[in-house]
Amino acid sequence: GENVEQHPSTLSVQEGDSAVIKCTYSDSASNYFPWYKQELGKGPQLIIDIRSNVGEKKDQRIAVTLNKTAKHFSLHITETQPEDSAVYFCAASPAAGNKLTFGGGTRVLVKP
Amino acid sequence: EAGVAQSPRYKIIEKRQSVAFWCNPISGHATLYWYQQILGQGPKLLIQFQNNGVVDDSQLPKDRFSAERLKGVDSTLKIQPAKLEDSAVYLCASSLLARSYNEQFFGPGTRLTVL
Repeated sequence: GENVEQHPSTLSVQEGDSAVIKCTYSDSASNYFPWYKQELGKGPQLIIDIRSNVGEKKDQRIAVTLNKTAKHFSLHITETQPEDSAVYFCAASPAAGNKLTFGGGTRVLVKP
Repeated sequence: EAGVAQSPRYKIIEKRQSVAFWCNPISGHATLYWYQQILGQGPKLLIQFQNNGVVDDSQLPKDRFSAERLKGVDSTLKIQPAKLEDSAVYLCASSLLARSYNEQFFGPGTRLTVL
């Protein structure tokens, strides 16, 4: 089955700096890669996603890149703000069934 | 639009006891998922329903876990008997369809502590 590795496990940045989280996946059949943000006591919430036919996608301060050949994808957050502090999860899904396999998570702390 | 509802939010039980969690998905969502999230880890899919049928339960420990979605709307996940290692947050999610690219919307979860 699919295996998703996520690094780093924790990330501390100064407010205004950028944060980068990297994930690798094992199943070449995966074609959908969402990123979720989870705040304390809440369920994960989708913040951005990318499909396998796209190399990069941007939404305001958040961007994702995908390298299908190398089987890795990354989340970039620019101009970080204290409200970006949370746990971020990457995930991968195959073409059929919408089954998500999650990475282990990255705890991001943005220091004012 | 109301989100995914789950209850209870917290549950503490002794090992070998039984427990049940309830989930009401977003109205109109045909697909419902149960995930187990152990502290410090990503969610792991336990079971996926399409309407009232099971799509994937390959990671459900069937000797102690069971789930049903009888009328294709709300769902119940049961653990009987519970073990210490079942301590986790149980997340319910729903999506419009079971096809790829369909966003999964998560509920707040039920935090289970097994003593």
